[in-house]
Amino acid sequence: AQSVTQLGSHVSVSEGALVLLRCNYSSSVPPYLFWYVQYPNQGLQLLLKYTTGATLVKGINGFEAEFKKSETSFHLTKPSAHMSDAAEYFCAVSSNRDDKIIFGKGTRLHILP
Amino acid sequence: DGGITQSPKYLFRKEGQNVTLSCEQNLNHDAMYWYRQDPGQGLRLIYYSQIVNDFQKGDIAEGYSVSREKKESFPLTVTSAQKNPTAFYLCASRTGSNTGELFFGEGSRLTVL
Repeated sequence: AQSVTQLGSHVSVSEGALVLLRCNYSSSVPPYLFWYVQYPNQGLQLLLKYTTGATLVKGINGFEAEFKKSETSFHLTKPSAHMSDAAEYFCAVSSNRDDKIIFGKGTRLHILP
Repeated sequence: DGGITQSPKYLFRKEGQNVTLSCEQNLNHDAMYWYRQDPGQGLRLIYYSQIVNDFQKGDIAEGYSVSREKKESFPLTVTSAQKNPTAFYLCASRTGSNTGELFFGEGSRLTVL
C-alpha cells in the first residue's frame, strides 16, 4: 500500500529565508508525486508534480521539488519565503497501479516578518 | 469557466439525518474523488469513481454512499451511520491518466448539531 509521511506539522521560517518542507513516500511501484497548497477554507491547488523524467521539478510561485528514489523523498523547497506563502502544504502519491491518490497529513507553513 | 462546483458551502444537520453534498464538474474528467479533511489528519479518501456507473471505496467509506450516474456529477451522502460526520469535505476530479493532477472544488463544511 502507498503512504506519505510529512515531517513537521508546523514549520516557521523568516521572510526571505529558505523554505524546506519534507515528504517521504512508500510505494512498491514507481510513484507519481504531487505537492498541493491550501489556503484557509479553500480547496487545494497544485504546486508541482513528478511523473517521469527530470527529477528536479519546478512549480508555481518559485517552488521546486526533487525526486530522490534512493531516499524515497520528494522535499519541497523555495529559496526565499514570502508572506504570501503562509498556507498548508500537502504531499500526495499515486501510481499506475490504480487511481487512488494518497495524501500526507500536511504541513502548515508560517512566515515570520 | 471550467471547474468543480461543490454545494452547499456550509451545512448544518441534526444527528440521525442523512445529508447529500453535491459535486459537479465541467472539465470532462473521467475520474472523481471525495476526501474528508480534519485538522491534523490531512485528506482521507472516502470514495472514488473512474467511470460512470462505477465507484470504489476509499480508506474511510463506512457511513458514506455515492453515485455516479453522470460523468459530470458525483454526489456524496453522509448517512446517520457515520459516527463523526462533522468535517470539511472536498471533491476533486482528474483526467483518466494516472499522471494527471487533481482539480479541487472549494469544499463543503458539514457541522452536526
